[in-house]
Amino acid sequence: TQLLEQSPQFLSIQEGENLTVYCNSSSVFSSLQWYRQEPGEGPVLLVTVVTGGEVKKLKRLTFQFGDARKDSSLHITAAQPGDTGLYLCAGAGGFQKLVFGTGTRLLVSP
Amino acid sequence: SQTIHQWPATLVQPVGSPLSLECTVEGTSNPNLYWYRQAAGRGLQLLFYSVGIGQISSEVPQNLSASRPQDRQFILSSKKLLLSDSGFYLCAWSVTLVHEQFFGPGTRLTVL
Repeated sequence: TQLLEQSPQFLSIQEGENLTVYCNSSSVFSSLQWYRQEPGEGPVLLVTVVTGGEVKKLKRLTFQFGDARKDSSLHITAAQPGDTGLYLCAGAGGFQKLVFGTGTRLLVSP
Repeated sequence: SQTIHQWPATLVQPVGSPLSLECTVEGTSNPNLYWYRQAAGRGLQLLFYSVGIGQISSEVPQNLSASRPQDRQFILSSKKLLLSDSGFYLCAWSVTLVHEQFFGPGTRLTVL
């Protein structure tokens, strides 16, 4: 069974601070997705990374896929209150279905 | 464009009552469909998924069941609700089992 552990589970920071969220597994994934979920809504895809070592930037968000394709990180620069939400990674491996991580809840205070 | 609908948006039910949550997808054919449950502030727990009409895979043995009577309709049911069935229920669809999933707005279920 493929498991994706995210850390930290919860992060509370002030507006303007930087942060990094990690997504780790002992399994290799062919691709990895990051979603953000706002309270009371469904998750929405932010990015998909498919190549080991790949780095993708989405405005103030930087996503990296580990060289061995077992881990990924999400870095947010100068966090804003609008970044508040639950961040979920999800990995695709072989012919199995998508596996979601345990989630990181981010609270950015003004 | 594709859209996914869930209803009802919120539901309060007594213990022991039946449940039926509905999910429909528009704008795509033969989607893979999923039911997830999410406890407050937690990650997603996959309950059921379906790759076609009448095909249901159960991930967690529980008090719930799912059916797919039509290509773009997915129903989550229970004959008798338990307190532990409370949570936020999300329906999602995808093109394949490993591609991006698109989520509905969710149903907040409270069992009293």
